[in-house]
Amino acid sequence: GENVEQHPSTLSVQEGDSAVIKCTYSDSASNYFPWYKQELGKRPQLIIDIRSNVGEKKDQRIAVTLNKTAKHFSLHITETQPEDSAVYFCAAESSNDYKLSFGAGTTVTVRA
Amino acid sequence: DTEVTQTPKHLVMGMTNKKSLKCEQHMGHRAMYWYKQKAKKPPELMFVYSYEKLSINESVPSRFSPECPNSSLLNLHLHALQPEDSALYLCASSPRAKNIQYFGAGTRLSVL
Repeated sequence: GENVEQHPSTLSVQEGDSAVIKCTYSDSASNYFPWYKQELGKRPQLIIDIRSNVGEKKDQRIAVTLNKTAKHFSLHITETQPEDSAVYFCAAESSNDYKLSFGAGTTVTVRA
Repeated sequence: DTEVTQTPKHLVMGMTNKKSLKCEQHMGHRAMYWYKQKAKKPPELMFVYSYEKLSINESVPSRFSPECPNSSLLNLHLHALQPEDSALYLCASSPRAKNIQYFGAGTRLSVL
């Protein structure tokens, strides 16, 4: 099955700086890669996703890049704000089944 | 209506109790999911229903029994749970399997 590794496990950044989270996956058949943000006590919320036919996608301060050859994808948050503090999960969906395999999560803290 | 609604929000039960968790969506989604999430961990897939049929059971103990009465409703029946089953139980839905998943707010379950 799919194995997704996510790094770092914690990330502390100064407000206004950038944050980068990296994930690798094992199943070359995976073709859909969402990122979820989960604030304390709340539901995971989809913030951005990318499909395997695209190398990069951007939505305001958030961008995701995908390198299919190397089987890794990354989340970039620019101009971080305190409200960006949360746990971020990457995930990969294999084309063989309906399952989303999640990374272990990154706790992001934005210092004011 | 763009939400996945879960009830109850909180549940405390004894090990001999029988209780049910409920999940509802009115977005016309045809795939629905149950996940279990422990603190600071990613969601773990339990069950997947596609077009009201159970398509994935991730070797979940029989004390958890899912039910999908119709395309909008998903239940999780609980019986003889153990304290280690205490967790946040998340429901999700997607237009069809292999698509963006939208999560409910979850039921926080405590087993005493």
